[in-house]
Amino acid sequence: KNEVEQSPQNLTAQEGEFITINCSYSVGISALHWLQQHPGGGIVSLFMLSSGKKKHGRLIATINIQEKHSSLHITASHPRDSAVYICAVRALTGNQFYFGTGTSLTVIP
Amino acid sequence: ETGVTQTPRHLVMGMTNKKSLKCEQHLGHNAMYWYKQSAKKPLELMFVYNFKEQTENNSVPSRFSPECPNSSHLFLHLHTLQPEDSALYLCASSWTGTAPYEQYFGPGTRLTVT
Repeated sequence: KNEVEQSPQNLTAQEGEFITINCSYSVGISALHWLQQHPGGGIVSLFMLSSGKKKHGRLIATINIQEKHSSLHITASHPRDSAVYICAVRALTGNQFYFGTGTSLTVIP
Repeated sequence: ETGVTQTPRHLVMGMTNKKSLKCEQHLGHNAMYWYKQSAKKPLELMFVYNFKEQTENNSVPSRFSPECPNSSHLFLHLHTLQPEDSALYLCASSWTGTAPYEQYFGPGTRLTVT
């Protein structure tokens, strides 16, 4: 079983819809990252958080440390949001990172 | 040039070839990472270097050999690879310390082993 589980694996939405991607993890962490990967491979870091909530434009990330769960929300989704979203956690000790398999999001105009 | 760059972007090699992947970061970071991304699998951390010293080697086969001559450059030397090594190889860099820091990724090298 993977240390980081994401759901859903695939998501199709109409432009303008509110989107939620979930991440659960099973290890103690010092930080959780949300990453965005566009076709072609390049990965961009969207958020790094260890508690509470962060907002950047139409993107919101939340984390509940007690429940070992995080969510990524996209408000007013747009076709350019189409990408794979990856949840990653940094273990509490050492330099180990664990990654989810990603959520493939397609936003239809 | 800014950020993290990787060359080549695409590589096709036979199982008996020797090739090298190169990564360069222009962010002043002191940690660099190699990751492997196979289809339908999570990213796998392969190697970590802090201040040019290798600090993580996640049971990677010896046919992958990393080299970090300085904090800005990272190489992955490849020899006698197997077809299952075909994947996207991503380099990343970050600051390192007691606090967690964001990683900045390069565009990746798409490797095909024939």
